[in-house]
Amino acid sequence: DAKTTQPPSMDCAEGRAANLPCNHSTISGNEYVYWYRQIHSQGPQYIIHGLKNNETNEMASLIITEDRKSSTLILPHATLRDTAVYYCIVRVRHGYNQGGKLIFGQGTELSVKP
Amino acid sequence: EAGVTQSPTHLIKTRGQQATLRCSPISGHTSVYWYQQALGLGLQFLLWYDEGEERNRGNFPPRFSGRQFPNYSSELNVNALELEDSALYLCASSSWGNEQFFGPGTRLTVL
Repeated sequence: DAKTTQPPSMDCAEGRAANLPCNHSTISGNEYVYWYRQIHSQGPQYIIHGLKNNETNEMASLIITEDRKSSTLILPHATLRDTAVYYCIVRVRHGYNQGGKLIFGQGTELSVKP
Repeated sequence: EAGVTQSPTHLIKTRGQQATLRCSPISGHTSVYWYQQALGLGLQFLLWYDEGEERNRGNFPPRFSGRQFPNYSSELNVNALELEDSALYLCASSSWGNEQFFGPGTRLTVL
């Protein structure tokens, strides 16, 4: 699985868009970008994933650059409840032959402030 | 639709004892994954079960073991507990290698 690099921490004002970057310069053609978040001492929550096209769901948008070497998770209107550690993970979609595991890095600790 | 459930929420054991943690996956999911999150450390992959068989295990000693039952629920057993086994143990489930959905975790404290 490709390695990812994320800033250790970010602040965002409540109501503003939170843009969380992730670098994955060694991503392979069949690897997807996944985002999870973990609110303090809870289980990680799946947010979104994508291969090369931008994706949007009810939680967030995922923007992947054309060369796929980096991506940005966008929370359009951050609330205090979005304060969490956000993990960017790169892996093949069906991980059966890759051991099935998710490899979590240190993530970005997002603090949403009033 | 019910999510992944884990029991117990908290578990307190003493060094040398055995701990058993339980996980029920989302209905329709055949894969169960176990992760350990020790205080101040990241999530570490422990075990992956699919269709009743162990498919992969992380870099943990053999005293960490588990099984998956015919109804796809799973148990994680930790034998000969050590102080450093104190952690949040997370279970996740998925269907055929798709997105993993996590439960709330079991907080294990070893005294």
